[in-house]
Order: sequence, then structure tokens, then C-alpha cells
Amino acid sequence: DGGITQSPKYLFRKEGQNVTLSCEQNLNHDAMYWYRQDPGQGLRLIYYSQIVNDFQKGDIAEGYSVSREKKESFPLTVTSAQKNPTAFYLCASSIQRNTEAFFGQGTRLTVV
Amino acid sequence: AQSVTQPDIHITVSEGASLELRCNYSYGATPYLFWYVQSPGQGLQLLLKYFSGDTLVQGIKGFEAEFKRSQSSFNLRKPSVHWSDAAEYFCAVPEQGAQKLVFGQGTRLTINP
Repeated sequence: DGGITQSPKYLFRKEGQNVTLSCEQNLNHDAMYWYRQDPGQGLRLIYYSQIVNDFQKGDIAEGYSVSREKKESFPLTVTSAQKNPTAFYLCASSIQRNTEAFFGQGTRLTVV
Repeated sequence: AQSVTQPDIHITVSEGASLELRCNYSYGATPYLFWYVQSPGQGLQLLLKYFSGDTLVQGIKGFEAEFKRSQSSFNLRKPSVHWSDAAEYFCAVPEQGAQKLVFGQGTRLTINP
């Protein structure tokens, strides 16, 4: 079955540590996205990538980093510089501009 | 910049009642429009989409939406809701000149038995 896989589903991190969230897709989509979701704030775009080896900052990129070395993979690193990292993180992909995005099941990150 | 407004943060309806969730957008041209549904702790699932043509769009799970250019709206409807429809619903529009979606704040739907 084609789809987007995010792992792990739950992640706990100590303050001051970097952590990497995985996102893999087998839909052959060019574009991939990372969103952050907090209660009452909808979805906010962190980073997006339209093609391998290229990515752009979204609305809340500070404290995050990404890479796009393969078409199928778009990992997100939450660095210690992110002041409030506890949130639900969603990865998505789309085949091209203006088409619908397909979402993974999300990773809930908690900083302890 | 494009924006999407969902005026209702939370709606409660009784099971079997009809439902309408509102979505208003600002966009420079005829937009593509999407409705997504999210169950608690899950990702977003596409309910339906409007690209062009017939302004009444049918989606999955018995949902439909109507594009009204004059009102800049794309309201989601369902004739009779089921308890399993309790979820959060998001309206979205692509940002012009960029390959990304702009989402509304979401409407949380609660179903009374």
C-alpha cells in the first residue's frame, strides 16, 4: 500500500537534546512538508521541499532543520534551540503544485 | 497572501441532524479548495476537493461541499451525521506562487447521542 510513514508515533526528549523525526513516502511525490500542530492553533508549516536536495523555510522554521537527500525521505530535526518543542508533528507529501497533500499519522513529541 | 477562515471553532450537533461547517477564503483567482478531517491523535484525511467545474463536490463518508465564488465560501455539509463523524475539520487552499497549502484554524465537531 502506498502512503506516508512517520516514526515513532510517540517520542520523549530531555531538554537540551536534539531529536530527529522520520518521514518516508512511497507515493513517488516530489513535494514533502512538515507541519506542527498545537491545540487551538491549527497547522503551521515548518519546512517544505519541492525536490530532492532543496527545501524552503515555512512560517515557523526557527529551531528546526531538515534534509532531503532522497525523494522518499524528509527527516525533521528538532534542535535544542526550539524553545517549546512539545507538539504534534505531521508530515505530508503532494505530487505537484496545487494538488492535495497526503498526511502521515503524526509524531507526538514531548519534552521532559 | 491567501487566507482561510473557519468562523466556528467548535460545533455540537445531535446524531442524525444535518451539518454545515463554514469556510471562507481570500484568493486572487479561482482557487483549488480542500476539506480534511482529523480524528484525535491521527493524521489528516482528505474528504473532498474542488478544482473546477461543478460547484457542488461530493466526497467520502457522505460529505459534500459547495463552492460559491460570490461569497468566497466553500462550506462543508452532511445531511445526517453519525457519531463517528466527531473529529476536527480543516479547510485549505494553496498559496499562490508556492507549493504549499494554507489551512484554516479548524472546527471541532462534537456529536450528541
